[in-house]
Amino acid sequence: GAGVSQSPSNKVTEKGKDVELRCDPISGHTALYWYRQSLGQGLEFLIYFQGNSAPDKSGLPSDRFSAERTGGSVSTLTIQRTQQEDSAVYLCASSLQGGAVYNEQFFGPGTRLTVL
Amino acid sequence: GENVEQHPSTLSVQEGDSAVIKCTYSDSASNYFPWYKQELGKRPQLIIDIRSNVGEKKDQRIAVTLNKTAKHFSLHITETQPEDSAVYFCAASYYGNNRLAFGKGNQVVVIP
Repeated sequence: GAGVSQSPSNKVTEKGKDVELRCDPISGHTALYWYRQSLGQGLEFLIYFQGNSAPDKSGLPSDRFSAERTGGSVSTLTIQRTQQEDSAVYLCASSLQGGAVYNEQFFGPGTRLTVL
Repeated sequence: GENVEQHPSTLSVQEGDSAVIKCTYSDSASNYFPWYKQELGKRPQLIIDIRSNVGEKKDQRIAVTLNKTAKHFSLHITETQPEDSAVYFCAASYYGNNRLAFGKGNQVVVIP
């Protein structure tokens, strides 16, 4: 079946602009995660959605970052007033359910964001 | 929160030799330890995981060992092949937690 998809695959923007990154999880997966991967760094947790529960936003680095998940499926990560330090690969992952973290997380291909 | 560290950052091995990557974690409550492999330009994929009720788990040429007392776990790759060249991420969490705490990754290079 189809895996996790993300769009766009690459995004180049100017400092100060807003960007929206999209994630389509695997059908039937109720848990959705956003991570940021900077060059030479690990996977930095940003936000987690589980069903209709309030999202865990504890990883968002600043109030310029926000995310939504509509209808329990597609998610959008928005970065306002982008800064150069926001340049990274943004990865989305989904799993059958959250809470029980033993469930494998399936990653999307990522969106490479470059802020000039 | 949980802090996971990986060593060494880069590891080069001759094809056919073994590779070992070690991770340490800080939260004694952690009881789930997955390893993800990320090939160049591709997405991370789970390759093996271990829960704290066992000390070792094997799957063909890869194995993971866990030492809860010392709070470290290791990935062992035997008979390395060129397709094993990738970045390997370890992670830690505990049942009921939403988050995986990832290490910074180890670059493994298998030299033909």
